Amino acid sequence: EAGVVQSPRYKIIEKKQPVAFWCNPISGHNTLYWYLQNLGQGPELLIRYENEEAVDDSQLPKDRFSAERLKGVDSTLKIQPAELGDSAVYLCASSGRTVAYNEQFFGPGTRLTVL
Amino acid sequence: ILNVEQSPQSLHVQEGDSTNFTCSFPSSNFYALHWYRWETAKSPEALFVMTLNGDEKKKGRISATLNTKEGYSYLYIKGSQPEDSATYLCAFNPSNDYKLSFGAGTTVTVRA
Repeated sequence: EAGVVQSPRYKIIEKKQPVAFWCNPISGHNTLYWYLQNLGQGPELLIRYENEEAVDDSQLPKDRFSAERLKGVDSTLKIQPAELGDSAVYLCASSGRTVAYNEQFFGPGTRLTVL
Repeated sequence: ILNVEQSPQSLHVQEGDSTNFTCSFPSSNFYALHWYRWETAKSPEALFVMTLNGDEKKKGRISATLNTKEGYSYLYIKGSQPEDSATYLCAFNPSNDYKLSFGAGTTVTVRA
């Protein structure tokens, strides 16, 4: 079974530029998460989708961040414009209704560097 | 935001030695405690889901214990090997929902 796929794996941009990250969850997983991991900290939830609906986006900085999951499968997270403080690892995870104890399955992340 | 702490932040282990490290979490409510291993350039890999006080789980040379009353879990690596080098994350789930609170991780480096 293929795992969670993310691209790109690494991205370097200059501040004020836009950037987008893509995630393909495990087949059949209806729940998709985007996490932000700053250096030296644990991952923090940005947004959670149930199918195509964003059911928790309370931690998403909506002035510059946006996300979509149009067909309830793949998802894209966008930052526009990027700031220096956005340099971090962006993780995508997914889970399914039959998964026990809310276990989440992670992709390898996208490491963003904003110069 | 729940306070989940992992200690130490990093450790260096000689190949063949055993080691252990801690994840502390609030003991007031408990549903599950997840351990992940995150190797460089790879996806975080689920190691264990701890659900009951006193749980002990084992996977090869890695094992974990859980004390929900005092709010901690230990992860043990017996006879460390270079391939055990990774960051080990714990994630606390106080109730049966999707919200996981992660620790900052313990980075283990095994020296040959």
